Amino acid sequence: KAGVTQTPRYLIKTRGQQVTLSCSPISGHRSVSWYQQTPGQGLQFLFEYFSETQRNKGNFPGRFSGRQFSNSRSEMNVSTLELGDSALYLCASTLGGFLDLYGYTFGSGTRLTVV
Amino acid sequence: QKEVEQNSGPLSVPEGAIASLNCTYSDRGSQSFFWYRQYSGKSPELIMSIYSNGDKEDGRFTAQLNKASQYVSLLIRDSQPSDSATYLCAASGSARQLTFGSGTQLTVLP
Repeated sequence: KAGVTQTPRYLIKTRGQQVTLSCSPISGHRSVSWYQQTPGQGLQFLFEYFSETQRNKGNFPGRFSGRQFSNSRSEMNVSTLELGDSALYLCASTLGGFLDLYGYTFGSGTRLTVV
Repeated sequence: QKEVEQNSGPLSVPEGAIASLNCTYSDRGSQSFFWYRQYSGKSPELIMSIYSNGDKEDGRFTAQLNKASQYVSLLIRDSQPSDSATYLCAASGSARQLTFGSGTQLTVLP
């Protein structure tokens, strides 16, 4: 059974640019969540999507956005990149409604470096 | 703000010893708790989940939960060098997300 797939694995962008990251959840998982991980802040919740609807959003500026498609694949976009956006971005999927039972399965992450 | 706090590391134990990792949480509404292991440069991997007060054992790992004290712990028996990683404690709440602690870095010395 395929895991959570994130692309690309690594990205280098320049300040002011925008970036789009992609995530394909485990087959059958309809809930996709995104986290930002940095050494100083740890894992910070960005947002969660279920059946193409954003159900929950963390405390990040509006430059961070996302969406989910009908096949449960998700993308997140960061516009007007800042140096502080350099981080590991993790996508996690779970069976919808069963987070309490199964937790998340994480993808390998996208390492974004902003220069 | 609902938080999950982990005992500050790093933690070093000799091979074969018991490693004890601790976590407290502030949201009394949290129902489920998870321990993730994260190797350097890799993504978090779920190793244990616990929902009820008491102990839950899985191989060399034992998770302990005390909801009255808002305390979760993970014991790793017969620690191996391959257990060297950062261990993340996470709690679920009403917001349909997991809140993570900052992690405890464990080193098992051969």
